[in-house]
Amino acid sequence: SAVISQKPSRDICQRGTSLTIQCQVDSQVTMMFWYRQQPGQSLTLIATANQGSEATYESGFVIDKFPISRPNLTFSTLTVSNMSPEDSSIYLCSTRGAGAYNEQFFGPGTRLTVL
Amino acid sequence: AQTVTQSQPEMSVQEAETVTLSCTYDTSENNYYLFWYKQPPSRQMILVIRQEAYKQQNATENRFSVNFQKAAKSFSLKISDSQLGDTAMYFCAFMKQAGGQNFVFGPGTRLSVLP
Repeated sequence: SAVISQKPSRDICQRGTSLTIQCQVDSQVTMMFWYRQQPGQSLTLIATANQGSEATYESGFVIDKFPISRPNLTFSTLTVSNMSPEDSSIYLCSTRGAGAYNEQFFGPGTRLTVL
Repeated sequence: AQTVTQSQPEMSVQEAETVTLSCTYDTSENNYYLFWYKQPPSRQMILVIRQEAYKQQNATENRFSVNFQKAAKSFSLKISDSQLGDTAMYFCAFMKQAGGQNFVFGPGTRLSVLP
């Protein structure tokens, strides 16, 4: 299994500003994922971050809006740029477990409110 | 592309009784994994149970069991002896076994266990 921590756990931000969310895993992992969960909704994959390469973004998400860093095998950041109220969501970091099932482990999430 | 459907947005059950949450999916893949995740109010995503598509035997984890019908593309979750701590959002998820290993989540079912 993998234990994942995220900072901050929650934040309230003003429109037009940016917030960087940190994700730390207690072991080295190849793939890290960033998800968005809008209020009352399911999880939507934003991007996949592999160490040493550019993040791969899903349809509807762009690097200018959600830049991602992956400096090593245990850490990643997601920045939500030029925020608007529509960005108010929970942002979750995740990684894939080793072994046959490849289950995903999730961080506790960052609850972002944009005013 | 794969899709996951959960037709019950909300359900409730009396404590100690049994409840079944439904999940159907659409895929052309033959080899894949299915998961049920639980998200309590704490926001932490917790793996409840998992199933490999090639296994005919239904997975069981203590009070949680699944009814996996591959031909019907159905993957329901049965919770026996429901407890107050089972109150949560439940997400069904699909992952291909090979290539493009992104999880696809269903919209979720909000389960309330009533005292």
